[in-house]
Amino acid sequence: SQQGEEDPQALSIQEGENATMNCSYKTSINNLQWYRQNSGRGLVHLILIRSNEREKHSGRLRVTLDTSKKSSSLLITASRAADTASYFCATDGRGNNRLAFGKGNQVVVIP
Amino acid sequence: GEEVAQTPKHLVRGEGQKAKLYCAPIKGHSYVFWYQQVLKNEFKFLISFQNENVFDETGMPKERFSAKCLPNSPCSLEIQATKLEDSAVYFCASSQSSGVYNEQFFGPGTRLTVL
Repeated sequence: SQQGEEDPQALSIQEGENATMNCSYKTSINNLQWYRQNSGRGLVHLILIRSNEREKHSGRLRVTLDTSKKSSSLLITASRAADTASYFCATDGRGNNRLAFGKGNQVVVIP
Repeated sequence: GEEVAQTPKHLVRGEGQKAKLYCAPIKGHSYVFWYQQVLKNEFKFLISFQNENVFDETGMPKERFSAKCLPNSPCSLEIQATKLEDSAVYFCASSQSSGVYNEQFFGPGTRLTVL
């Protein structure tokens, strides 16, 4: 089954604004991870939130996890042009280590 | 090293030729994963290793794909007799542990183009 479906899929904001994107999944998980991918490049690990955590912060990033709703959100505060990228959530299902990726959110930050 | 290294960056093969991709995980990481990104937004898991042992190969197309992680050597992913649909970016990732602490760090990828 497809896990990690982000919504919305494309977001265009002005520099300085906040960007929020969501991710939903279908099965029980060990953890959920968010990655950033700049055009044509590799995946940069942003943050991991474990299944027993509800919120986590890292710099300008804030991630929430609601296991009852099987959903997560990523908030980028005070966005910068350099935040322009695709953002993916990926879940690590219980019983295996492989990541199941969502389809990604494209975020464009306009200077 | 402190980053996952992948070689080559780009690989071009004619249909039917062999392709071999390499991955050096982060030093000290026991788990290695291969993923395929076919379209810009879709990732597919291929195979994972715990040290030199296959951990999970449920994503591997068995007929033409094979992979190894041998001691003191980079891990490799080999595609025999490439097809047009194998054109993709292949990512390698490594992690130190499994379960809730399975934080996977990705390499820059190898872009395979099959003509």
